Amino acid sequence: QKEVEQNSGPLSVPEGAIASLNCTYSDRGSQSFFWYRQYSGKSPELIMSIYSNGDKEDGRFTAQLNKASQYVSLLIRDSQPSDSATYLCAVTIGANSKLTFGKGITLSVRP
Amino acid sequence: NAGVTQTPKFRILKIGQSMTLQCAQDMNHNYMYWYRQDPGMGLKLIYYSVGAGITDKGEVPNGYNVSRSTTEDFPLRLELAAPSQTSVYFCASTSPLREQYFGPGTRLTVT
Repeated sequence: QKEVEQNSGPLSVPEGAIASLNCTYSDRGSQSFFWYRQYSGKSPELIMSIYSNGDKEDGRFTAQLNKASQYVSLLIRDSQPSDSATYLCAVTIGANSKLTFGKGITLSVRP
Repeated sequence: NAGVTQTPKFRILKIGQSMTLQCAQDMNHNYMYWYRQDPGMGLKLIYYSVGAGITDKGEVPNGYNVSRSTTEDFPLRLELAAPSQTSVYFCASTSPLREQYFGPGTRLTVT
């Protein structure tokens, strides 16, 4: 099993819809969870971090963490064309808590 | 704060040439990383450092070397460049909360 897995994508949603991005991880001891956004030709940009079970909201973004089921998700409400990008899930894995990235999922928001 | 800076932004190398990719951060982070990202692919860890004088290999270290003489700087050395090293290289540093911040990247072409 890969350490951090994301849906293969791509994901396409209409403008104004909710985009749901999912991520599962293998290490039950993982403590820190992150979502990054990467526009084409740019570097990844941290958009959400979450450290405890439950929901964390920041503007139109909500991160959800369920450690028992080993998944973390990102909801984007009222999706905009400017949200079109690749979203990377990242999780601290292993004894030295090294950050491990999923392969990313490309989101396209249709006007 | 400038955050994480990288130079150069672009470079074309001939096969067999060598070069150093520069990376600096002004956030006093102990942890620093080098990744490569091939087109349409995820991030692959080349080398990382947990502090000045301490470096370790990631998943794809062959053909690269690093040094960490100060907290701020983490240069990546390419020896005997090969076409397989054509990629975009990202440097990153990590806060104590494991939030990782990326530089703008160096786009390298080896011909």
